[in-house]
Amino acid sequence: AQSVTQLGSHVSVSEGALVLLRCNYSSSVPPYLFWYVQYPNQGLQLLLKYTTGATLVKGINGFEAEFKKSETSFHLTKPSAHMSDAAEYFCAVSLSGSARQLTFGSGTQLTVLP
Amino acid sequence: DAGVIQSPRHEVTEMGQEVTLRCKPISGHNSLFWYRQTMMRGLELLIYFNNNVPIDDSGMPEDRFSAKMPNASFSTLKIQPSEPRDSAVYFCASSLAHQGYDGYTFGSGTRLTVV
Repeated sequence: AQSVTQLGSHVSVSEGALVLLRCNYSSSVPPYLFWYVQYPNQGLQLLLKYTTGATLVKGINGFEAEFKKSETSFHLTKPSAHMSDAAEYFCAVSLSGSARQLTFGSGTQLTVLP
Repeated sequence: DAGVIQSPRHEVTEMGQEVTLRCKPISGHNSLFWYRQTMMRGLELLIYFNNNVPIDDSGMPEDRFSAKMPNASFSTLKIQPSEPRDSAVYFCASSLAHQGYDGYTFGSGTRLTVV
């Protein structure tokens, strides 16, 4: 079975500050890992994904995440927050080779302060 | 491609009425998922289809909920009778499950309010 834990349901940062959203996963086999973003009144949009290969993955809007197998983590970062980054962020995991079903974390609401 | 298309975007209905939500997945995608999102429970997977066949409906809350996928380009989620606790945003998502897995593409959702 697979599961995802997002630490911190709400994170606030100042504009220009580092964004760090935490995600830990549990999986008995090599996972596929994803970050999605949801802006108000919209559906979820894929930010970035890790499947195989390079453990540091870059996504849209300047976000990146690093897969750390030893720590079972896939934290999302952005060096400098922008007001437009305010949204809810979801981490998700799928078992490699069984790509039909994603398990989502409970989400982290990011607030960017002026 | 226009993406995953859901209709209606908003639905307000009275308790006891039948509600039908519609979804058109991305052409060529062979998996389709229905999710419900609420403040209290977050994102919940209700049911998913692969090649038009329901694979896992264990997330469907009760018999009042039913879902169909008569062909590769259309799916419905029906609630009959509707209750106020069904108020939520319902999302449809589709994917192409292959080795180079790309994740899901979500629709914009249907915001359901049952009064």
